[in-house]
Amino acid sequence: DGGITQSPKYLFRKEGQNVTLSCEQNLNHDAMYWYRQDPGQGLRLIYYSQIVNDFQKGDIAEGYSVSREKKESFPLTVTSAQKNPTAFYLCASMVSGRFGYEQYFGPGTRLTVT
Amino acid sequence: AQTVTQSQPEMSVQEAETVTLSCTYDTSESDYYLFWYKQPPSRQMILVIRQEAYKQQNATENRFSVNFQKAAKSFSLKISDSQLGDAAMYFCAYRRGYNTDKLIFGTGTRLQVFP
Repeated sequence: DGGITQSPKYLFRKEGQNVTLSCEQNLNHDAMYWYRQDPGQGLRLIYYSQIVNDFQKGDIAEGYSVSREKKESFPLTVTSAQKNPTAFYLCASMVSGRFGYEQYFGPGTRLTVT
Repeated sequence: AQTVTQSQPEMSVQEAETVTLSCTYDTSESDYYLFWYKQPPSRQMILVIRQEAYKQQNATENRFSVNFQKAAKSFSLKISDSQLGDAAMYFCAYRRGYNTDKLIFGTGTRLQVFP
């Protein structure tokens, strides 16, 4: 089965701890993306990567870091420097689908930091 | 910078009726794409329909169609014969012409469907 997997679905952490969110795809896509979703604010881009070993900051990259060592994996680390880390995080990859190139989303991870 | 605005935080519709969700955007680009995504309670983002800016014809996908007014920078979604399963958050999104560029989202419209 092809698709994007994000694990875990729910994640709880104490304030001051770094936490890494997993995103894996077996679709052989070059481009991958991380978005953050907060109530009433839609989705905002954190980081994206168009090829292996290369990534660019999005609109809200402060307090986050990423790596892209393998084509199929694009993990996101939420560091202790992120002031409001509690949110829903969505990973996406670019796929050539019935609409042409489109972003295909994973199921998301809900991160709660207390 | 490009922006996407959805001015209706919530909408409701009776089952089998038609509803239109509004979206406006701002860009100075000539080559771009517009999308409507659906996010049901499962929170999985599902692409509903897409419009290329260079196409004058409005996109249609079964019960979903758009009214694309390029000069007015307006991109509304019409849902015909609404079904209970259409209840969800709907997000309008913009992307520049380069295929792997990022999506810029509006703040969403929550659609309720009443039997």
